[in-house]
Amino acid sequence: AQSVAQPEDQVNVAEGNPLTVKCTYSVSGNPYLFWYVQYPNRGLQFLLKYITGDNLVKGSYGFEAEFNKSQTSFHLKKPSALVSDSALYFCAVRPDYGGSQGNLIFGKGTKLSVKP
Amino acid sequence: ETGVTQTPRHLVMGMTNKKSLKCEQHLGHNAMYWYKQSAKKPLELMFVYNFKEQTENNSVPSRFSPECPNSSHLFLHLHTLQPEDSALYLCASSPGLFTDTQYFGPGTRLTVL
Repeated sequence: AQSVAQPEDQVNVAEGNPLTVKCTYSVSGNPYLFWYVQYPNRGLQFLLKYITGDNLVKGSYGFEAEFNKSQTSFHLKKPSALVSDSALYFCAVRPDYGGSQGNLIFGKGTKLSVKP
Repeated sequence: ETGVTQTPRHLVMGMTNKKSLKCEQHLGHNAMYWYKQSAKKPLELMFVYNFKEQTENNSVPSRFSPECPNSSHLFLHLHTLQPEDSALYLCASSPGLFTDTQYFGPGTRLTVL
């Protein structure tokens, strides 16, 4: 079955330190990979996506993610965390069905807490 | 703001009520989606519309009834809901079906008493 795993329910980081939010996936073909962020009482906001090309993708607010095909991972990173980065982060994958794309499959989300 | 608006933002209803959720996108997109977000669960895709035509219904109970009168508006009609239907209902849109980034509205927080 197609699935996306975010192994950590919560990640705690001190402001100024680097952060990593993990995501692994199990889908067919060459999927499209996404990260979304959800602030309290808000909908999901698109951060970045990987379709093809350079394995390191840069997105909004200084975030980046690294695609690792052999490990089927797409971890979200930021060199220096801000308190305002505290939010819920969702990894999502769109499977590739032999040239046609399927629906987005979301992980359960990881709550990022950045302390001053 | 993402260009996708949802009303109301909060809704409390009894199990015998009938209510509707509204979504409007100002992005010129052709595809619209309804998702259900429950605590500590992945987002669940409920319905997909492309050019006003429903393309997907993910085994959603008939007490949820979608309507898409045009590519900019999407409704979710609710009747005889159950307490377990309490959740955040998110609307999203994308330029095309499946192949593009989806843009989400702020959601409607629904509580069923």
